[in-house]
Amino acid sequence: DQQVKQNSPSLSVQEGRISILNCDYTNSMFDYFLWYKKYPAEGPTFLISISSIKDKNEDGRFTVFLNKSAKHLSLHIVPSQPGDSAVYFCAASGNTGGFKTIFGAGTRLFVKA
Amino acid sequence: EAGVAQSPRYKIIEKRQSVAFWCNPISGHATLYWYQQILGQGPKLLIQFQNNGVVDDSQLPKDRFSAERLKGVDSTLKIQPAKLEDSAVYLCASSSIGGYYGYTFGSGTRLTVV
Repeated sequence: DQQVKQNSPSLSVQEGRISILNCDYTNSMFDYFLWYKKYPAEGPTFLISISSIKDKNEDGRFTVFLNKSAKHLSLHIVPSQPGDSAVYFCAASGNTGGFKTIFGAGTRLFVKA
Repeated sequence: EAGVAQSPRYKIIEKRQSVAFWCNPISGHATLYWYQQILGQGPKLLIQFQNNGVVDDSQLPKDRFSAERLKGVDSTLKIQPAKLEDSAVYLCASSSIGGYYGYTFGSGTRLTVV
């Protein structure tokens, strides 16, 4: 039962261009959504979150968009930098039979110099 | 502030052996989580503690996995006996009340069962 799906295993982008990472979810009971970044041999690092009552949240080069009707969210990185190369996890939190956070499988982003 | 500390970083054991992982969360963080991340998948919650009480252990294979958080600070996760499919990275995370600003994860323990 995959409640949070990241359908693109990988994405390659040129430095300076926009990176768009996508995430779909199935449960409308989620209260908020998060993005984490993970480098090899490290734990995931929190990047940005968005409440289910908002449709956009911005923090520097990172913007998360939420489309509740489509049960879809995306992370935009502008401009992309080589240091952004990592695995990005989408996560959703809410009371889905107990309050918990569910992670997607991740998308590996490659930013080429 | 110091991060979430985990040890060991790597562990290789034979199937049917036992293993234990240790986690020290960020000081003052009431909530502690153990996640299992199998290669190619996202982290999956095994158990969540609020102080020293269990909030959610619905996905913990209780016939072989156990966890405790003594005095609401450090935590240990044990597997006994281990199976091949337990090979994964075990991540510990902590948070203050609420998770909207994300969890702080440790670097994880990579377990290989042979």
